[in-house]
Amino acid sequence: ETGVTQSPTHLIKTRGQQVTLRCSSQSGHNTVSWYQQALGQGPQFIFQYYREEENGRGNFPPRFSGLQFPNYSSELNVNALELDDSALYLCASSPGTGGGYTFGSGTRLTVV
Amino acid sequence: GQSLEQPSEVTAVEGAIVQINCTYQTSGFYGLSWYQQHDGGAPTFLSYNALDGLEETGRFSSFLSRSDSYGYLLLQELQMKDSASYFCAVRMGNSGGYQKVTFGIGTKLQVIP
Repeated sequence: ETGVTQSPTHLIKTRGQQVTLRCSSQSGHNTVSWYQQALGQGPQFIFQYYREEENGRGNFPPRFSGLQFPNYSSELNVNALELDDSALYLCASSPGTGGGYTFGSGTRLTVV
Repeated sequence: GQSLEQPSEVTAVEGAIVQINCTYQTSGFYGLSWYQQHDGGAPTFLSYNALDGLEETGRFSSFLSRSDSYGYLLLQELQMKDSASYFCAVRMGNSGGYQKVTFGIGTKLQVIP
């Protein structure tokens, strides 16, 4: 059984650009959530998808958007990148809308 | 809104027991989770409590009191490798199933010889 995999592992983008991060959920998991973690802080909830529908969103602007595909993999898109978007982006999956999450290793995004 | 409080740092001796507390304020509570994160790594799921009481998994136990909006993580027989940050996280939602997850600031545990 494979865990949660994210790609790419590292990324450098210029302010104003757009970025797409990808996540494959753990086998059997139909719920995917995304988090932003700045250095020294806890993960901040961006949004969650359950069976291809968004079923939760944190306090992030609309330029943070996402998708979940029929195989339950997911994408996080960020438009008009800002310097403060530099962070570790974590994807996590769970087998339903209860219980804990299994996290991927994250994508380290640097905006310059 | 919702908020969680947990201590920022704890130091304990190898072989000892340590308890990390978490209090929360939220509506539409679903459950409380605990995660371990080593420097440079991703969070690792430790436990989830939806109902009151104690859940035990090896050296780690987690407790929840919904009426007190309080939980704790108990680590026994501490090992040096337990040095990490520990996060509590609340899963909350409305009757329609719309959810949010809020993490605490994390408790940095240092295990000393």
